[in-house]
Order: sequence, then structure tokens, then C-alpha cells
Amino acid sequence: GAGVSQSPSNKVTEKGKDVELRCDPISGHTALYWYRQSLGQGLEFLIYFQGNSAPDKSGLPSDRFSAERTGGSVSTLTIQRTQQEDSAVYLCASSLGQLFNSPLHFGNGTRLTVT
Amino acid sequence: AQSVSQHNHHVILSEAASLELGCNYSYGGTVNLFWYVQYPGQHLQLLLKYFSGDPLVKGIKGFEAEFIKSKFSFNLRKPSVQWSDTAEYFCAVNTGGFKTIFGAGTRLFVKA
Repeated sequence: GAGVSQSPSNKVTEKGKDVELRCDPISGHTALYWYRQSLGQGLEFLIYFQGNSAPDKSGLPSDRFSAERTGGSVSTLTIQRTQQEDSAVYLCASSLGQLFNSPLHFGNGTRLTVT
Repeated sequence: AQSVSQHNHHVILSEAASLELGCNYSYGGTVNLFWYVQYPGQHLQLLLKYFSGDPLVKGIKGFEAEFIKSKFSFNLRKPSVQWSDTAEYFCAVNTGGFKTIFGAGTRLFVKA
């Protein structure tokens, strides 16, 4: 079946501009995650959504970052007034969500470059 | 806060060599443990997982990992690596909620 789909695959933007990154999870997966992968930094947790519960936003690095998930499916990560340090690969993952130990299924990521 | 440490950032091995990648986590309660792998040009995928029971778990492609609770460790092993094992390996911990924390990753290069 279809996996996690992310768009765009690459995004180059100028410092100060806003960007939106999109994630389509696997159908039926109730949990959705955003991570940031920077060179040498591993995967940094940003936010997750689980069903209709309030999202866990504890990993968002600043108030310039926000995310929403509409209809329990598609999610958008928005970065306002982008800075050069925001350059990274942004990964989305989804899981069945019924169990805490459900493995994550990752998309191919969006590579964001802020010039 | 919970954290995951992977000791080796880069490992270079020859084919047929044995592999052990270290992973330690900081959390005193019940944990779910994972190893994920990212092959060049591909997305992250699950290699193996531990939830409970036998602390020695086996995954795909001949990989195994051992959970040692007293050492807060979950090291990944493979007796004989192949060139196709060249990838980046991530250890991850879930401490009972939906939040999964990843280590910084270990880049493995296997020389043919």
C-alpha cells in the first residue's frame, strides 16, 4: 500500500519567508509525527498528533514553528520568518497509534534550505 | 528529560567483520526500544524492536539487539556485515507515551 507521502521533496527559500511542508500519513494511522534531521544532530522530535487528543508540541524549537492536522489525516508544518538554522530535512512519520510501541513509518522527508 | 546516546558516529568495517553499535538511554522506567535504519537514498525503516520478554531480539537481515536493563543499553549486533549494510542506524526509545526519542545516529560504511 501507499506509504507516508511528503511534499515538496525539496524547498529552497529566502531568509524571512514562510514555508509550509505537507505530510500525508498512511491511511488508518491515527498517530502522526514531525521530526527534524540536521547533519550530525540525529532526529529531533518536533510534534506529534494522536487521534483527537491535543498535540504534543514540546519539541517545537520556537513560536515560529506550528503544525496542524486536518480531519485526522493530512498535516502541515509551517515555519514563519525562516532562518538559516532552520535548514534541515523535515521528516514525517505515522503509526497505528493504538499502542505506544507501534513502530513509526517514515516519509522521504522535505529538504529545506534557507538562503 | 529522556535521552538516547549512540557512542559511535562513524564506523568503517570490511565485509565479514562483526558489528556492534552501542546505544544507551536515560530513563528508569519501562521502555520500548527500537533500531531504525536508513539506507542511502531511502527512508527510515524499522530494523527491530523490543517491548518485553526475551531481551535478545532478532530483526531483519541478520541483525539482533540485546536489552540489558541494568546497563540501560540496547546494542545492535551482526556477526558478519555485508557491503549492503552500509547505512545510517538510529536507536530510539519510547517511554510509554507516543513520543519516541532518537539518538544521533551511526553511519556505517562497509568496504567491499
